[in-house]
Amino acid sequence: DIQMTQSPSTLSASVGDRVTITCRASQSISSWLAWYQQKPGKAPNLLIYKASSLESGVPSRFSGSGSGTEFTLTISSLQPDDFATYYCQQYNSYSLTFGGGTKVEIK
Amino acid sequence: QVQLQESGPGLVKPSETLSLTCTVSGGSISNYYWSWIRQPPGKGLEWIGYIYYSGSTNYNPSLKSRVTISVDTSKKQFSLKLSSVTAADTAVYYCARLPMIPYYFDSWGQGTLVTVSS
Repeated sequence: DIQMTQSPSTLSASVGDRVTITCRASQSISSWLAWYQQKPGKAPNLLIYKASSLESGVPSRFSGSGSGTEFTLTISSLQPDDFATYYCQQYNSYSLTFGGGTKVEIK
Repeated sequence: QVQLQESGPGLVKPSETLSLTCTVSGGSISNYYWSWIRQPPGKGLEWIGYIYYSGSTNYNPSLKSRVTISVDTSKKQFSLKLSSVTAADTAVYYCARLPMIPYYFDSWGQGTLVTVSS
């Protein structure tokens, strides 16, 4: 299986901050990476697919980049609604795997 | 807009079989892959497996010996069975849609908590 490692596991930030979350794959996955946002008690919500494509309806302050084994999710100006946990997921392999998650907390 | 809804017992005894069903509404079950994902309390997401509407399946190797996913296209439902459960199988179980494989999950159910306890 392809292992996905996210960092940091927890991030404290303030409204208006630029926030970057990293996801590393144990082997190359080209650009086959998605990012999800999950709020407490809710299902994950797709933000980004194919590493950098913004899902319809997702605010443009979210962006994704990277290819191969290293990827980033950036929130350009953190908003109150963005405090949540973020997960990456690889789909290079038929055995799908998620990163461990990054919780974005209020500083 | 497709909607998915999980249903099934919220409490299962150790060593028994966990059974859940996901009902698809507002869209076709055909030509898509349908998946189960779980999340233990306070932890991350784990993919369990998926099934094509025609019945072909693929399971997480770590759970493969205990998992069966089936589909009933006439009822627009797909189901999960997880045998020989332990407390480690306590989790919120989500059903989700995959437009193709391998791919990302583009629609999710709200999730259902299953607790394994005697």
